[in-house]
Amino acid sequence: TQLLEQSPQFLSIQEGENLTVYCNSSSVFSSLQWYRQEPGEGPVLLVTVVTGGEVKKLKRLTFQFGDARKDSSLHITAAQPGDTGLYLCAGAIRLSGNTPLVFGKGTRLSVIA
Amino acid sequence: GAVVSQHPSRVICKSGTSVKIECRSLDFQATTMFWYRQFPKKSLMLMATSNEGSKATYEQGVEKDKFLINHASLTLSTLTVTSAHPEDSSFYICSAEVLTPEQYFGPGTRLTVT
Repeated sequence: TQLLEQSPQFLSIQEGENLTVYCNSSSVFSSLQWYRQEPGEGPVLLVTVVTGGEVKKLKRLTFQFGDARKDSSLHITAAQPGDTGLYLCAGAIRLSGNTPLVFGKGTRLSVIA
Repeated sequence: GAVVSQHPSRVICKSGTSVKIECRSLDFQATTMFWYRQFPKKSLMLMATSNEGSKATYEQGVEKDKFLINHASLTLSTLTVTSAHPEDSSFYICSAEVLTPEQYFGPGTRLTVT
C-alpha cells in the first residue's frame, strides 16, 4: 500500500511569514500533484511534478519533487490570508491512464492578517 | 483548466431512500472518472474508478451494491447511494482524468441523510 505522509497537519501563521509543507513516502511515484481545497469545494490543481529534482514556481509558491521521487515540498513565501485552505499532495504510481491518486492527509493552513 | 461539474451541490434525503449524484466533464471527454468521499476535516478517500462503457472498479471496503456507479457516456458518470443511512452522510467528490495523471475535481456534493 502506497502512503503519503504530509506534515504538518495544521499550521497557523501570521501574514507575511514563510512556510513549508512536506509530503513524504517510502514509495516511488511517477508524478505528484499538489491541490488546494477550500471548505465546501472540490480540490483545485496547483501543480504537477514529474521529474526527480524538479522545481516549479507558481507566484509565491515553490514546489519541489525529490531526486528519488519519493517526497515533495511546497514552500509559500510571504503568506497571505488568501492562501488559507487545505493543501493536499497526491501521488500517481504510473504515468499511464486510469491511475488512481494516493492522497496525503492534508495540511490545513490558516494565515492570519 | 478543464471543468468538472457536479449535481446536486447539496441534497438532504430521508433514511432508506436513494440519491443520485451526477458528475459531468463540461469541455472535454473523460474515459475515466473517480469518485471520492471526504469526511469533515479529513483527506479524500477513493471509493471507485469509473470507466466509460465498463464496470467500475471499487476500492476495498466499498460496497458496490450500495454505491452504484454508471459511466454511460464520455462526459457523464453517476453515483447512486442506495438505501441511504445517516452514516452515508458525507461530502462526495468526483474527478476526471485529463492529462494523465492529472485529475480535475468537481465542486462536490454534500449529502445529508436524516
